[in-house]
Order: sequence, then C-alpha cells, then structure tokens
Amino acid sequence: DAKTTQPNSMESNEEEPVHLPCNHSTISGTDYIHWYRQLPSQGPEYVIHGLTSNVNNRMASLAIAEDRKSSTLILHRATLRDAAVYYCILRDVGSNFGNEKLTFGTGTRLTIIP
Amino acid sequence: DVKVTQSSRYLVKRTGEKVFLECVQDMDHENMFWYRQDPGLGLRLIYFSYDVKMKEKGDIPEGYSVSREKKERFSLILESASTNQTSMYLCASRGLGVVTDTQYFGPGTRLTVL
Repeated sequence: DAKTTQPNSMESNEEEPVHLPCNHSTISGTDYIHWYRQLPSQGPEYVIHGLTSNVNNRMASLAIAEDRKSSTLILHRATLRDAAVYYCILRDVGSNFGNEKLTFGTGTRLTIIP
Repeated sequence: DVKVTQSSRYLVKRTGEKVFLECVQDMDHENMFWYRQDPGLGLRLIYFSYDVKMKEKGDIPEGYSVSREKKERFSLILESASTNQTSMYLCASRGLGVVTDTQYFGPGTRLTVL
C-alpha cells in the first residue's frame, strides 16, 4: 500500500496562511489524495481531495506536485477552530474500488497561536 | 447531512467481559468501518464491511469480531475484553458509486477495560 509522510506537528499564527505538507513518493496512478482533519474530541472529517490538478473548496486548497509525489494542504487564513490533527491519505480507486480501505497515519497536529 | 452514531461515548468494562460497540448510519451507505485510535499510533483499521453480512479484516483484527446483519448497523465485538483494548473506537461509513465519496465518522467511543 502507498504510504504518506507528514510532520508530527506544526504551529501557525492566527489569521495567517498555513501550508501542511505531505510526501507520498510511492503513489500510484489510481491513488487519489484525500485530506481529513480531526478536531479535539471528535471523529475525523473530510477536508478536500484531488488527483492531479490543484483543488479549492470552502475549507481549504490542495496543491499537488506535478509528479504527484507530494502535496500541500493550504488553509488560507487560519483560525483557532482550525487547530486539529490533519491526515493525508491515499485512496486507491483502481481495481479494488468500492472495497478499498483508507489507511490513516499519525497526521500533523496543527496548533494555532492567537 | 450524513449521521453516524455510536451507542456510547464512554464505556468502562472489566477484563474478560464481552463488549458490544454499536454503530448506526442513516445514509444507506454500503461501506462501514471500525477503527481504533491510540496516542502516537493514529487510526488503525480493525474491520470493514462492504455489504450486509460481508466483512474483511483490517490491519489489527486480532481480539475483535464484527457483525453486519442490517445495512445501517455495524457492530464491533470484543469477545473477552483485555486491558490492551482500552482505546478510542471510531466507526465510519462511506457510500459507493462515486469515485471520490468521502468517509463519515461517528463521535467515537472511549472504552476503558479494567
């Protein structure tokens, strides 16, 4: 299974942009890149996903390297409510689509400094 | 909105007891998952089910079993609870048919085995 590597922790000041990196050097052509986050005392929630092109939604942006071996989750203006653990996950939608599992690593714990 | 509910937020059991953790989703999702989350280890998949009465082992199935008699309900069973099964247990569900369908998580059950 393709794996991802993320820093254990990061800090950012409130109202500044945050760039959360993820390395996935063994990514395959059928792997989608998903990001989830887990707020304190809650289950993880979906943030964004992408395949090859950069993606934007109301929560964040996802920048994917041209060779797809890395990606960056961008929070444009961090608030205190963005303090969470962020998980970068690969989802293989190839031949086993529908029965595939997501493998969560340990993620990046993001601390927002007021 | 998708809702995934878990029967208890907190549970305390004794070593050797049989423990049932229940999960119910209201979006007619085919896939359901059980994870455990421990400090420093992230989320680890115990079992998942891609249809009624269908199940597959995840990464750490030892000491656990599951039951999926109805589409909306997925139960995790600890046949004889042990102290090393003290953990946060998270249930999730996911629909089929959409390549980028996301996984929705419940709030978690914090189980303590004494």
